[in-house]
Amino acid sequence: GQNIDQPTEMTATEGAIVQINCTYQTSGFNGLFWYQQHAGEAPTFLSYNVLDGLEEKGRFSSFLSRSKGYSYLLLKELQMKDSASYLCAVRPGGYSTLTFGKGTMLLVSP
Amino acid sequence: GAVVSQHPSWVICKSGTSVKIECRSLDFQATTMFWYRQFPKQSLMLMATSNEGSKATYEQGVEKDKFLINHASLTLSTLTVTSAHPEDSSFYICSASFGDSQEQFFGPGTRLTVL
Repeated sequence: GQNIDQPTEMTATEGAIVQINCTYQTSGFNGLFWYQQHAGEAPTFLSYNVLDGLEEKGRFSSFLSRSKGYSYLLLKELQMKDSASYLCAVRPGGYSTLTFGKGTMLLVSP
Repeated sequence: GAVVSQHPSWVICKSGTSVKIECRSLDFQATTMFWYRQFPKQSLMLMATSNEGSKATYEQGVEKDKFLINHASLTLSTLTVTSAHPEDSSFYICSASFGDSQEQFFGPGTRLTVL
């Protein structure tokens, strides 16, 4: 089976840095995705990792360690609009099917 | 680019009726479309995967006779919830991918409420 774990909720203050962790146990691995989802809206793509290491994209960075089944999403210079749910998703097989974690609700306060 | 639309954005229906939700890729040809369901404060649960011109592949526990999926063209997939009941009330989201793209592009979702 597939299992993806991430914290349920996190809080941080505006301007700070926050790291959201994700661990996974899946039958295979062909990529890990992070999505942002605001309440009542569809997810939007943030990052994709398939090889070990850090991928940086503006204020957001994502890290992957395949041997540890571990990823994190790093958000810098937090803004109020970053308050959202962050979903970790793994593609176990060779095609596009994704398995999603339950999401981490991030609340950014002034 | 890579825009996916859904229609309607929300729908309220009576128990026992059927509801059709459309998912369109507006600026690309989607070789594969996915249908997800999301209950409040839960994650996205994949319901089915469909390729144009072939039958959808349903995830375990999803009733194929209740959730009818038709992927008639490379830009359109429809999900019909037949004989809807209040427990089918949920947020239904489609996504699409093309070729060897690593990414799924999500539609804005459809909020279904069954009274």
